Amino acid sequence: DTGVSQNPRHKITKRGQNVTFRCDPISEHNRLYWYRQTLGQGPEFLTYFQNEAQLEKSRLLSDRFSAERPKGSFSTLEIQRTEQGDSAMYLCASRSRASYNEQFFGPGTRLTVL
Amino acid sequence: AQSVTQLDSQVPVFEEAPVELRCNYSSSVSVYLFWYVQYPNQGLQLLLKYLSGSTLVKGINGFEAEFNKSQTSFHLRKPSVHISDTAEYFCAVSGFSSGSARQLTFGSGTQLTVLP
Repeated sequence: DTGVSQNPRHKITKRGQNVTFRCDPISEHNRLYWYRQTLGQGPEFLTYFQNEAQLEKSRLLSDRFSAERPKGSFSTLEIQRTEQGDSAMYLCASRSRASYNEQFFGPGTRLTVL
Repeated sequence: AQSVTQLDSQVPVFEEAPVELRCNYSSSVSVYLFWYVQYPNQGLQLLLKYLSGSTLVKGINGFEAEFNKSQTSFHLRKPSVHISDTAEYFCAVSGFSSGSARQLTFGSGTQLTVLP
């Protein structure tokens, strides 16, 4: 059973550095989501891909954030010039076109900005 | 736009006792409703979902939830909890209009702690 995978699982970086996370969705899923979860809160939507097209972005996705899904398979989320406020768990989820919005989540990447 | 309120941030309960985790939502459109569970340092796992039809929904691990449209609630219940049910539980909603992202809007979570 190959679920959603994310790498790395943990990332510690210094303020001002750039970081990149990767998400590999379930292979037949063409919809992909990124969420951010801070301590004690529920996940918050960041962005949505349908195949390779990025169709929606949250206002939480500042100019320092960029996401790609170049071939409609894996996706990357890059944060430039990280700030301490970027410390959070970054979750990826995917779903199939036919599902009633049942999203399958990966284990997340925990980012700590020092 | 949708919003979700989980009324209890922490719920301690003794093993084998029943539990109810409360969830209320607001939305200007019809919604799908979900409950997810999150174990420490892990992603979210779907417990159950309400799409349409019967308002009582059964999920995995003996959990069930009831959709109440008039009260805009979707409370989660289990008649007898186990130590292994200790986790964070999230209620979530999404609109189902075609062509939209249908992103999930989550509540702030309820930490269920099952005591021996």
